[in-house]
Amino acid sequence: QLQLQESGPGLVKPSETLSLTCTVSGGSINSDSHYWGWIRQPPGKGLEWIGNIFYSGTTYYNPSLKSRVTISVDTSKNQFSLKLSSLTAADTAVYYCARLRRGYNLDDAFDVWGQGTRVTVSS
Amino acid sequence: SSELTQDPAVSVALGQTVRITCQGDSLRSYYASWYQQRSGQAPVVVIYGKNKRPSGIPDRFSGSTSGNTASLTITGAQAEDEADYYCNSRDSSGNHYVFGSGTKVTVL
Repeated sequence: QLQLQESGPGLVKPSETLSLTCTVSGGSINSDSHYWGWIRQPPGKGLEWIGNIFYSGTTYYNPSLKSRVTISVDTSKNQFSLKLSSLTAADTAVYYCARLRRGYNLDDAFDVWGQGTRVTVSS
Repeated sequence: SSELTQDPAVSVALGQTVRITCQGDSLRSYYASWYQQRSGQAPVVVIYGKNKRPSGIPDRFSGSTSGNTASLTITGAQAEDEADYYCNSRDSSGNHYVFGSGTKVTVL
């Protein structure tokens, strides 16, 4: 059974860069049928898509975050990572990693999620 | 527009039927997927594509699309269905994704 687990600091200072890693277990990140994504949820608010990556390294980012986001993949470790720079309090959120099933018939779904990791931006 | 619009909240009596809607221009081209998020938990997909349910999702959950509106229907709502529900779809670029604002479902 595929599982995803986020890891990284729970507290980051304003203006610094957040680095999170998602470790994939029970399956390979080298899948032709799946992308791997990051999604966040500020306290009391809704879900926001951050971006996706394919195992080859192809990335797509939310246009509103694109200038500050980098997603990378390490296939040897079965991991993918998120870097978000120039942090402000507005970046405080639970960050989820998820597998995106990108269907040939456009029947996409984020079908496996990590448990989420809470990140607070504060000095 | 890349936005997906949902009603903030709906309520349903135990055992009755509730429909949650999601509106957006991109839904004319792409299917919506629907996610259930219970309090303090990670989201779980309940419907994707043309009314597909992942293994383990009860058949009381169903989905449909008409024009620019996708709908999630819970037929015979149970107490455990009380949760926030989010729709998601590709945007007009075809490579980016957007979530709806979410609908809080209360089972009375």
